Amino acid sequence: EAQVTQNPRYLITVTGKKLTVTCSQNMNHEYMSWYRQDPGLGLRQIYYSMNVEVTDKGDVPEGYKVSRKEKRNFPLILESPSPNQTSLYFCASSLWTGSDEQYFGPGTRLTVT
Amino acid sequence: ELKVEQNPLFLSMQEGKNYTIYCNYSTTSDRLYWYRQDPGKSLESLFVLLSNGAVKQEGRLMASLDTKARLSTLHITAAVHDLSATYFCAANTNAGKSTFGDGTTLTVKP
Repeated sequence: EAQVTQNPRYLITVTGKKLTVTCSQNMNHEYMSWYRQDPGLGLRQIYYSMNVEVTDKGDVPEGYKVSRKEKRNFPLILESPSPNQTSLYFCASSLWTGSDEQYFGPGTRLTVT
Repeated sequence: ELKVEQNPLFLSMQEGKNYTIYCNYSTTSDRLYWYRQDPGKSLESLFVLLSNGAVKQEGRLMASLDTKARLSTLHITAAVHDLSATYFCAANTNAGKSTFGDGTTLTVKP
């Protein structure tokens, strides 16, 4: 089944404790992206990647890191999480050619206390 | 900086009625997406619009794109309860940058 998977789905952590949210797709997609969704602020892009070893900042990259060592994986790293990073995070992927749609993962709800 | 404005933000409709959601974007965009999100769920792609004049239809939903006016519309025909959800538009550059509108929460009442 074609899908984007994220882990963990839910995470409660404390300020400053490094964490990684994994994202994996099985569709051989070139493009992958991370978004955060906050009430009243909609969805905002954090980082995106057009291909392996190519990443770029979105609108809200501060406090986050990403890497794209393999085509299928695009982990989101919070080196020192803070309470303002409490949010719902979505990973997405796409072939990024023609009119190909973007597929979203199920989301990761992160709470930083 | 690409900005996307969606309106209305909230829409309450009666079943059987028609309505349109508007999506304006501020600078040149290479592709325009429409998504649906049900409460507590992820986003589902509805349409991708690439060129001026593009029109796509799926069931009771039809999306169009006017790149000269920097406007996309999502038209709902004869609404049914199952269409109740939040609808987002997003403008993307070919370089991969993506900017979302604030979303339109649609409630269809019997």
